[in-house]
Amino acid sequence: KNEVEQSPQNLTAQEGEFITINCSYSVGISALHWLQQHPGGGIVSLFMLSSGKKKHGRLIATINIQEKHSSLHITASHPRDSAVYICAVRYGTDKLIFGTGTRLQVFP
Amino acid sequence: DAGVIQSPRHEVTEMGQEVTLRCKPISGHDYLFWYRQTMMRGLELLIYFNNNVPIDDSGMPEDRFSAKMPNASFSTLKIQPSEPRDSAVYFCASRREGETQYFGPGTRLLVL
Repeated sequence: KNEVEQSPQNLTAQEGEFITINCSYSVGISALHWLQQHPGGGIVSLFMLSSGKKKHGRLIATINIQEKHSSLHITASHPRDSAVYICAVRYGTDKLIFGTGTRLQVFP
Repeated sequence: DAGVIQSPRHEVTEMGQEVTLRCKPISGHDYLFWYRQTMMRGLELLIYFNNNVPIDDSGMPEDRFSAKMPNASFSTLKIQPSEPRDSAVYFCASRREGETQYFGPGTRLLVL
């Protein structure tokens, strides 16, 4: 069983829709990361958080430590948001354990 | 800053050949990570360094893989001999203590 579970695996949306991607993990962590990987392959770190909520533009990341759950929200989605979104957790060391990713496609 | 630099960007080689992947981390970053990404297994950590010292290499698949960091601005990942199952995208990433990681563009390796 993967220590980091993401849902859904695939997601399609119309431009302008509100999008939520979920991530659950099995044990206590020191930090959680949300990464974005575009079709060209490059990986960008969107957020690193250990509690509460962070916002950057149209992206919002939340984490509930007690429930071992995090969500990534995209407001007013746009075709350029189409990418694979990856959740990764750090268990007190410097190692990241990755989820399998959520493939998002936003259509005009 | 130019970001994390990796070379080559693409590598096609034949089974049995030696492959060397290179990474230049962002200046001032004291952590360096090597990852491998495949369709089957997703992203996996191979090895990471702190202040040029290998800290955890438990993700290195087998003895055919080796990694070095001779100084703060350069690291190599070597595969000898290469096998078709090593075909993947290899990412290097770096960060400062307590901060997020910055990924390089990756090296796409194809072993025929």
